[in-house]
Parts: sequence; C-alpha cells; structure tokens
Amino acid sequence: NAGVTQTPKFQVLKTGQSMTLQCAQDMNHEYMSWYRQDPGMGLRLIHYSVGAGITDQGEVPNGYNVSRSTTEDFPLRLLSAAPSQTSVYFCASSPWQGFQETQYFGPGTRLLVL
Amino acid sequence: GEDVEQSLFLSVREGDSSVINCTYTDSSSTYLYWYKQEPGAGLQLLTYIFSNMDMKQDQRLTVLLNKKDKHLSLRIADTQTGDSAIYFCAESLMNSGGYQKVTFGIGTKLQVIP
Repeated sequence: NAGVTQTPKFQVLKTGQSMTLQCAQDMNHEYMSWYRQDPGMGLRLIHYSVGAGITDQGEVPNGYNVSRSTTEDFPLRLLSAAPSQTSVYFCASSPWQGFQETQYFGPGTRLLVL
Repeated sequence: GEDVEQSLFLSVREGDSSVINCTYTDSSSTYLYWYKQEPGAGLQLLTYIFSNMDMKQDQRLTVLLNKKDKHLSLRIADTQTGDSAIYFCAESLMNSGGYQKVTFGIGTKLQVIP
C-alpha cells in the first residue's frame, strides 16, 4: 500500500490563480480530511469527508472547495489564491470516522502564494 | 469550545527522560493523541489514550491523563537524537453532526542534545 499520497509536494502561485491539491489513499478508508499547518497555530481542519459523496466544512473552509466522487480521492481546490493561503497542507484518512486513533497523514504540500 | 495548549519548546540531553505537557478544555473528549512530526514530513501517530484511562505505556512512551485537571503528558524514556521532532497533542470530540473532530495543539519542538 502506498498509504496517503499528495501531489504536488511544492507549489508557487500568484494571487488570484486557482489550483487543485490532490490527495489519494489506497486503504479503502471512508474518512478523509484536509488540514493546513501554520507556524504557531498547529493544524486546522479545512474540510472533511465521511464517505464518497459526503463532505462538510471544518474550522477554516473559506476559499477552499472539496469533492469526494470516489473513496480513494479527496482533492482540495483553491478558487482564487491569496497570500493568506500560504501554508503546508496535509491530507489525512482513517478507516471510519469513529476510529480516529488510526488516522494516517500524507507527506504534505507546501504552497506559497505571492 | 475546544482548545488544546502545549508549550513551544523543550530541550533535553540524550539519555534523559523527556516530558511534554498538554492541557485541553473540553471534558467530553473521547480520545487524546500524541503525534510526531519530523522535519519535512507529515504527522505520525505515536500513541493515543481513551478518555476513561489514566495511563498507557508503550515501550519508551508513557502517556498520563489527569481528567480532573484536563492535563495530558507524554514521557519519553531514554531520549535519543532520533526523537528530535515536533510533538502534537490532539483531542477528539463528537461534533454536532455526529462525527469525530480532532483538534490539534500548536506542537512542542523537542531538541535532543547529544
């Protein structure tokens, strides 16, 4: 198993550009989530999904969209990038929303918005 | 609301014990976790404790939970240079939608001096 994979590893955007951060898992996990990590603020939940076709907002959803058309993939879309979205983005998955003790994290995507 | 607090930095000598502390505010937490993040990598679950337990030991790791004071600690015995990393405390809560939500602290950077 590859676990949780994220692409790209690094990305530089200009203000106003849009892009999609990819996340995939091959463990047949139902629960997937996106976090952003900023210095001094820990990890903050952006969006999460409890299964294909079901998504919900987390703590900081503004400026981001998600969809879950398959169990494996959970892309995060930045609609119009802003410097405040400069961050490290982590995708995570777990077998079921109740079993958070087995949450697996991807390696992260480092995003710089100029 | 939920809030998880931890100190920013801890420095110990190789071979000594490290104790990383965390406080949380919501007494209805179900699980409490410790994650480890090495430079440039994602988060790795180290250990977790269910909220009705007081202590959990796993090789060099000991987790202590004081529910009365809402205090969680991670003790690493015989600390090694490979333990140098950022350690995140996190709590899991059931949100209004019936799903588990994980809230992370800002992370404690552990520096191990050879």
